[in-house]
Amino acid sequence: DTGVSQNPRHKITKRGQNVTFRCDPISEHNRLYWYRQTLGQGPEFLTYFQNEAQLEKSRLLSDRFSAERPKGSFSTLEIQRTEQGDSAMYLCASSPTKRTGGAVHNEQFFGPGTRLTVL
Amino acid sequence: GQQLNQSPQSMFIQEGEDVSMNCTSSSIFNTWLWYKQDPGEGPVLLIALYKAGELTSNGRLTAQFGITRKDSFLNISASIPSDVGIYFCAGQSPTSGTYKYIFGTGTRLKVLA
Repeated sequence: DTGVSQNPRHKITKRGQNVTFRCDPISEHNRLYWYRQTLGQGPEFLTYFQNEAQLEKSRLLSDRFSAERPKGSFSTLEIQRTEQGDSAMYLCASSPTKRTGGAVHNEQFFGPGTRLTVL
Repeated sequence: GQQLNQSPQSMFIQEGEDVSMNCTSSSIFNTWLWYKQDPGEGPVLLIALYKAGELTSNGRLTAQFGITRKDSFLNISASIPSDVGIYFCAGQSPTSGTYKYIFGTGTRLKVLA
């Protein structure tokens, strides 16, 4: 088990270009999350998948953003027509479904992130 | 987006000193997580708390789930230089059907050798 991996680690693009990031969760983790983190802030929730189903999207996720998780394994996050305001660290996290005494324990494990810079 | 209040925002301490930080919310949570993040890396999970009043340790780290369910505390004993970094709390609402977390604004810790 190598943990959550993300590719690329860094991406520099020009405004208006499309970019795609990939996240490989910890194997057997059925829940996958995307967060965005800007400088000096904590991560902010973007979207959530349970297996292949995208169950929640934040208002932060504009129409230019799309995420997929085909077959419930890896996930991709695409940003179309990038803007300078999209510059941030994009973090992926995964968690298992773990019940202890009837309560759901949801520990989220993060990948190293993809740092996006839009020029 | 919504972020939790963490205090202090930053702190400089001498190696060997104990550190205390806290996280507060205006609403109740049913889970608190504490993370440490190094520059350019993703957050690393330190401690998870699931019950009000719960006190959990991980080596030199001890965290508590506040009894009001609106706050949590993290203590680091006998700090060492590698403790430097940003510490984030994260809370999960009992009404969140997707188990997403709301993160704090972070406490930046610097340890002076």
